[in-house]
Amino acid sequence: GESVGLHLPTLSVQEGDNSIINCAYSNSASDYFIWYKQESGKGPQFIIDIRSNMDKRQGQRVTVLLNKTVKHLSLQIAATQPGDSAVYFCAEMLTGTASKLTFGTGTRLQVTL
Amino acid sequence: EAGVAQSPRYKIIEKRQSVAFWCNPISGHATLYWYQQILGQGPKLLIQFQNNGVVDDSQLPKDRFSAERLKGVDSTLKIQPAKLEDSAVYLCASSLAPSYEQYFGPGTRLTVT
Repeated sequence: GESVGLHLPTLSVQEGDNSIINCAYSNSASDYFIWYKQESGKGPQFIIDIRSNMDKRQGQRVTVLLNKTVKHLSLQIAATQPGDSAVYFCAEMLTGTASKLTFGTGTRLQVTL
Repeated sequence: EAGVAQSPRYKIIEKRQSVAFWCNPISGHATLYWYQQILGQGPKLLIQFQNNGVVDDSQLPKDRFSAERLKGVDSTLKIQPAKLEDSAVYLCASSLAPSYEQYFGPGTRLTVT
């Protein structure tokens, strides 16, 4: 299928290495952050989230770091596998009645063998 | 658990024609979202429903786009008349409530010629 993002920043890593994908968010009032993975021809898939009262959260092979001082979010993927190849988006939300999710620009992760 | 269903998966129309997309959310999810994803960008929220009421449609081009969610379950998004810049993937997502994890469907890829 057609690629999700043909002109996105690309991170190329070797299989087994660790990957770090960075994201700058825009609203200092945002209190909830999510990383999504999007494969070609599919909708975004939830990976991991973090609330603004935390600065680190770990999942299975993934870690999200939040630095509110500089409005920066990062996603670390340990022991990157070929199946991790996709476009990754960060998203921010100010929770409330509407709780609108705002996506950042994506990063394409390419895993080489 | 069945995911979010969307149809059609692909649609090609000429400019000034009309088109409609259908979404069936995950059973029990009260909140439904329509996003537009232009190639190379993150999804942009068009409209958010809570049951059958509109919560946020601030980014919906209301002169040509309309959406409804009758009975608080399925939803349709319509474009009439279509413009070339409407070419994009239209994603539907649902969640139990605002601020809860959003589950995305596979999207409908629209090409306007």
